[in-house]
Amino acid sequence: EAQVTQNPRYLITVTGKKLTVTCSQNMNHEYMSWYRQDPGLGLRQIYYSMNVEVTDKGDVPEGYKVSRKEKRNFPLILESPSPNQTSLYFCASSLGSAGGGVTEAFFGQGTRLTVV
Amino acid sequence: SQQGEEDPQALSIQEGENATMNCSYKTSINNLQWYRQNSGRGLVHLILIRSNEREKHSGRLRVTLDTSKKSSSLLITASRAADTASYFCATRGSSNTGKLIFGQGTTLQVKP
Repeated sequence: EAQVTQNPRYLITVTGKKLTVTCSQNMNHEYMSWYRQDPGLGLRQIYYSMNVEVTDKGDVPEGYKVSRKEKRNFPLILESPSPNQTSLYFCASSLGSAGGGVTEAFFGQGTRLTVV
Repeated sequence: SQQGEEDPQALSIQEGENATMNCSYKTSINNLQWYRQNSGRGLVHLILIRSNEREKHSGRLRVTLDTSKKSSSLLITASRAADTASYFCATRGSSNTGKLIFGQGTTLQVKP
């Protein structure tokens, strides 16, 4: 079954304690991205990757890091989480195309992160 | 930056009625997509319409796109209680970054 898998689904942590949210897709997609969803602000892109070892900042990258060592994995790293990073996080993947017109996105089930 | 703006923000209808949601965007696009999100869950792709298309159908869904007005609409016909969810439009820009820009969403409640 084609899917994007995020872990963990729920996480409560303390300020400053490094954490990693994993994301894996089994569709051989080139394009992967991370979004955060906040009430009243909608979905905002944090980072994206157009292929292995190619990553770039989205709209709200501050406080986050990513890596893309393998095509299927795109972990999101919070080196020193703060309460303003409390949010619902989604990983998504898409099949890229030569013209840049990537197609529909497949989303993970989300990670609800609370930083206290 | 948010590009898609959806209208209405919330919609409540009876089962069997049609639901129409509208989306406006600001810049040129490669395609426009609609997604559904059940409460707190991941988004699910519903339908994609390319910039050179004007209308597309998929089951009970009908999407229109007017690039001159930079707007799109999603019509769900013969709604069911299971259609209760939030619906988002997302635009894919003409740049090569492949970035999706989401609207704020329309929350649809279908009463049985």
